[in-house]
Amino acid sequence: GNSVTQMEGPVTLSEEAFLTINCTYTATGYPSLFWYVQYPGEGLQLLLKATKADDKGSNKGFEATYRKETTSFHLEKGSVQVSDSAVYFCALYGGGSNYKLTFGKGTLLTVNP
Amino acid sequence: GAVVSQHPSRVICKSGTSVKIECRSLDFQATTMFWYRQFPKQSLMLMATSNEGSKATYEQGVEKDKFLINHASLTLSTLTVTSAHPEDSSFYICSARDEAGSGNTIYFGEGSWLTVV
Repeated sequence: GNSVTQMEGPVTLSEEAFLTINCTYTATGYPSLFWYVQYPGEGLQLLLKATKADDKGSNKGFEATYRKETTSFHLEKGSVQVSDSAVYFCALYGGGSNYKLTFGKGTLLTVNP
Repeated sequence: GAVVSQHPSRVICKSGTSVKIECRSLDFQATTMFWYRQFPKQSLMLMATSNEGSKATYEQGVEKDKFLINHASLTLSTLTVTSAHPEDSSFYICSARDEAGSGNTIYFGEGSWLTVV
């Protein structure tokens, strides 16, 4: 079945530091890949997505590239802000999943001023 | 972007009563919606897939008679927690699949905090 392995946190950075959160996956076929962000006490917000190999999703300074050869979708941001503090979830569907999302365990990011 | 709205955002109910949570897709039609439960500091646990006009598909271990799901229209799915008990207290989140365009993106609601006292 499908699975997502996400870098375990928590991750603590200083403002303006570079962020990488690793995400690798296992899936049959060609899944769609997503990063969602969850702020404290809230639901999930779609951060970015990629639907085919070599696609780069980007939003709010965050980027992730769909790498089929390494089955990865690492999240990066060049300069984090305090407001980026949240839990980040890598997820996929497709490849036989009937559109049920498979989530990673989430990575808590804390950015200090 | 596409918006999914949940209501209520917070609800407190007495043990033994039932509570209904609504999930609406505001600017797209969704034949498929999903209901999740999230425990503190954990990832989301899929409870069931809600299919418009047909019965929901429940994940293994989820009691279908306790968590009633109705997807009566293309923009609304409801989750009813029946005979609620304190252990049902949790954060419930719905999502809806926007099938238009490429990618079939899934959007999430804001979540509903249920406290059973």
